[in-house]
Amino acid sequence: EDKVVQSPLSLVVHEGDTVTLNCSYEVTNFRSLLWYKQEKKAPTFLFMLTSSGIEKKSGRLSSILDKKELFSILNITATQTGDSAIYLCAVASGTYKYIFGTGTRLKVLA
Amino acid sequence: EPEVTQTPSHQVTQMGQEVILRCVPISNHLYFYWYRQILGQKVEFLVSFYNNEISEKSEIFDDQFSVERPDGSNFTLKIRSTKLEDSAMYFCASRKDLANYGYTFGSGTRLTVV
Repeated sequence: EDKVVQSPLSLVVHEGDTVTLNCSYEVTNFRSLLWYKQEKKAPTFLFMLTSSGIEKKSGRLSSILDKKELFSILNITATQTGDSAIYLCAVASGTYKYIFGTGTRLKVLA
Repeated sequence: EPEVTQTPSHQVTQMGQEVILRCVPISNHLYFYWYRQILGQKVEFLVSFYNNEISEKSEIFDDQFSVERPDGSNFTLKIRSTKLEDSAMYFCASRKDLANYGYTFGSGTRLTVV
């Protein structure tokens, strides 16, 4: 059975801290791995990773994929209160569907 | 920026009633999806739709569920006889092509079955 596992389930940090969120997967017919941020309702797209070892970066957020070890990490440096959200990892399987992890709930304290 | 629009944002219905959740995908997108998220649980795939037919569906998407694209712009999810366990946030998503696996999600419809 396909599965995506995220850790930790929740995390509380102070502003300015750096956090690393983990995502491991066992999915047949892997296409890509995606990170989403979910604040109140709809997940919003952060990154799509297809190749191993190539870091994607957007401001204070970065992510990398290891297809040999079947995991990805999402780093957030110099965290701000606005980073508080649930971070979802999803794997695109075949050509159509995503398999989501349970998410990591991040709370950044001022 | 183009958006996926879902209506209503919140629907309360009695058990056994039929509900239709509506979505307007981004106009030049070709692939459409429904996902649901039960409170506190993970986002789960329900169904994918392309070229006016279902491409793939999950075990959750049983005979009580159906999807339709009635007029070339709307994409609907119908639940024929709602159960308490259908209470969830339902997300519609669309994607332009298979080369881009990043969906655009709608803001969701919260369905409460009482």
